[in-house]
Amino acid sequence: AQKITQTQPGMFVQEKEAVTLDCTYDTSDQSYGLFWYKQPSSGEMIFLIYQGSYDEQNATEGRYSLNFQKARKSANLVISASQLGDSAMYFCAMREAGTYKYIFGTGTRLKVLA
Amino acid sequence: GAVVSQHPSRVICKSGTSVKIECRSLDFQATTMFWYRQFPKKSLMLMATSNEGSKATYEQGVEKDKFLINHASLTLSTLTVTSAHPEDSSFYICSARASGIMADTQYFGPGTRLTVL
Repeated sequence: AQKITQTQPGMFVQEKEAVTLDCTYDTSDQSYGLFWYKQPSSGEMIFLIYQGSYDEQNATEGRYSLNFQKARKSANLVISASQLGDSAMYFCAMREAGTYKYIFGTGTRLKVLA
Repeated sequence: GAVVSQHPSRVICKSGTSVKIECRSLDFQATTMFWYRQFPKKSLMLMATSNEGSKATYEQGVEKDKFLINHASLTLSTLTVTSAHPEDSSFYICSARASGIMADTQYFGPGTRLTVL
């Protein structure tokens, strides 16, 4: 069965520093997609970054980058130059094989300190 | 681009009443929409997958007669919580998958907080 694991329930980072949020996944499929979303206290889910299983390059979107290590089945999110507004819940998700459904991790709550 | 709206953002109702939540894709056509439920400090739980013009597919354990889903057009899906009870109080959030472009990504609405008294 496919599964997403986020082992860090909470993280702290100093403003302007970089932080890595861990995500590991389990799948037997060759083709899959990995996503990261940010959920501020307002509740909306904001799409951050996507990595396809066949993408050779790590995905980057502004201050967000995805450290994709296929052999280790990890897709860690790296946020550079943290800002106070980055404080939120972060979810890693994988597109379920054969469908467009997502499997979500349990999330990591990030707190950026001034 | 890829904006999804949800209405209402917050609703309080009495036990036994029905509540309708709308999910709209504003700038793209959504072949598929998804409805999730989220409990406090928990992850999202998929309730059902809604395809335009066909019946929704419900996840195991989700009562289809209680949570009625209609996907009448490529930009609108509705979730109706029928005969709501306090245990239905939750944060409901929809997402939409674009057809043709950005096909792998779900874009989420801002969510609806339902409180049943």
